[in-house]
Amino acid sequence: DAMVIQNPRYQVTQFGKPVTLSCSQTLNHNVMYWYQQKSSQAPKLLFHYYDKDFNNEADTPDNFQSRRPNTSFCFLDIRSPGLGDAAMYLCATSRGLLSPQREQYFGPGTRLTVT
Amino acid sequence: AQSVTQLGSHVSVSEGALVLLRCNYSSSVPPYLFWYVQYPNQGLQLLLKYTTGATLVKGINGFEAEFKKSETSFHLTKPSAHMSDAAEYFCAVTLSGNTPLVFGKGTRLSVIA
Repeated sequence: DAMVIQNPRYQVTQFGKPVTLSCSQTLNHNVMYWYQQKSSQAPKLLFHYYDKDFNNEADTPDNFQSRRPNTSFCFLDIRSPGLGDAAMYLCATSRGLLSPQREQYFGPGTRLTVT
Repeated sequence: AQSVTQLGSHVSVSEGALVLLRCNYSSSVPPYLFWYVQYPNQGLQLLLKYTTGATLVKGINGFEAEFKKSETSFHLTKPSAHMSDAAEYFCAVTLSGNTPLVFGKGTRLSVIA
């Protein structure tokens, strides 16, 4: 089945130690998104890629970076994780940016713990 | 800018009872509306969507929602709750063109045996 895959499902890192989360998709979608979701809150968009075009949300901290080496893979890099970065990180894809192609398909998420 | 309000952060129903989760949106132009469900430690799964056409939309797991432009609402319903429906539900809205998907704050549904 076509899907969005995130690895690992659970990640523990130390305060200030760089960490990378990965996402892959078999849907061949053009757009990939990264969201941060804290407990009992709605997902918050960090950034998205349309093909190789990177779009950063205005309030996304500089501590968060992303790479998309090809259509299938996208990475979230947290350069110096703080305790406040502990959250669920969700990857999503969509066929395009223009509605109604913007229906998003989500991966299962990576829960990040910062010790 | 568009926005979404979900009334009630927590809704509790008995098994077999009607489920009603409320969603109101704010938009000056016709929106595209979505309901997503999230089970614990899982990603979001699309339940149903409204883009154009028929205003009563049927989704998975027996859920449906009706787009009411006059009330700017897109409430989610299910005639008979099942224990497996216990989850977090998010309403989301986007507009035509390149606008972001905006989520409501979510409603946690509990189903009591």
